[in-house]
Amino acid sequence: DVKVTQSSRYLVKRTGEKVFLECVQDMDHENMFWYRQDPGLGLRLIYFSYDVKMKEKGDIPEGYSVSREKKERFSLILESASTNQTSMYLCASRLGVETQYFGPGTRLLVL
Amino acid sequence: AQSVTQLDSHVSVSEGTPVLLRCNYSSSYSPSLFWYVQHPNKGLQLLLKYTSAATLVKGINGFEAEFKKSETSFHLTKPSAHMSDAAEYFCVVSDRRAAGNKLTFGGGTRVLVKP
Repeated sequence: DVKVTQSSRYLVKRTGEKVFLECVQDMDHENMFWYRQDPGLGLRLIYFSYDVKMKEKGDIPEGYSVSREKKERFSLILESASTNQTSMYLCASRLGVETQYFGPGTRLLVL
Repeated sequence: AQSVTQLDSHVSVSEGTPVLLRCNYSSSYSPSLFWYVQHPNKGLQLLLKYTSAATLVKGINGFEAEFKKSETSFHLTKPSAHMSDAAEYFCVVSDRRAAGNKLTFGGGTRVLVKP
């Protein structure tokens, strides 16, 4: 079974803090994605990566950056957390154009 | 550009009755279409996908969806709802010709199953 893990299920941070969300997949997928999920809006793509050290902006990249130093790991960084970044964050991975596999999500609260 | 509209934000059904979740999409190219389910505090799980083969697609847990190009629809159905079907469902479109083959998600439909 494909497994996508995220470092934390719940996080509470203060405004202005730098926040790191980690995602690891164990199936050697080249494509990895970060989404945020908000009620009524579905999932919106923040950034994706199709290879090590490669990254592309998604639909809502503002306020976020990413890092992909190893194939299995894709990190999402909030440089200076703000209250409007309170959300559920979902990581996913995919091989080629096949099915995307999602992690369990990290629920982030920014106070 | 591609987009997805899920016509109902909430659907309530009685156990044992049919479920219908409606989805309309727009895409510039021949799309791939998916339905994902998310149970409370869980990640998203693929229910089924359409990738230009048969227009009636069968998925897991008794769900199926029909691709209708003329109506740009991909509605999800199940003949008999079970309590375990209570979850949020997402219709998703993928443009295979777009960079990164990005997925576009609908806003989600939350299903409540009454005993």
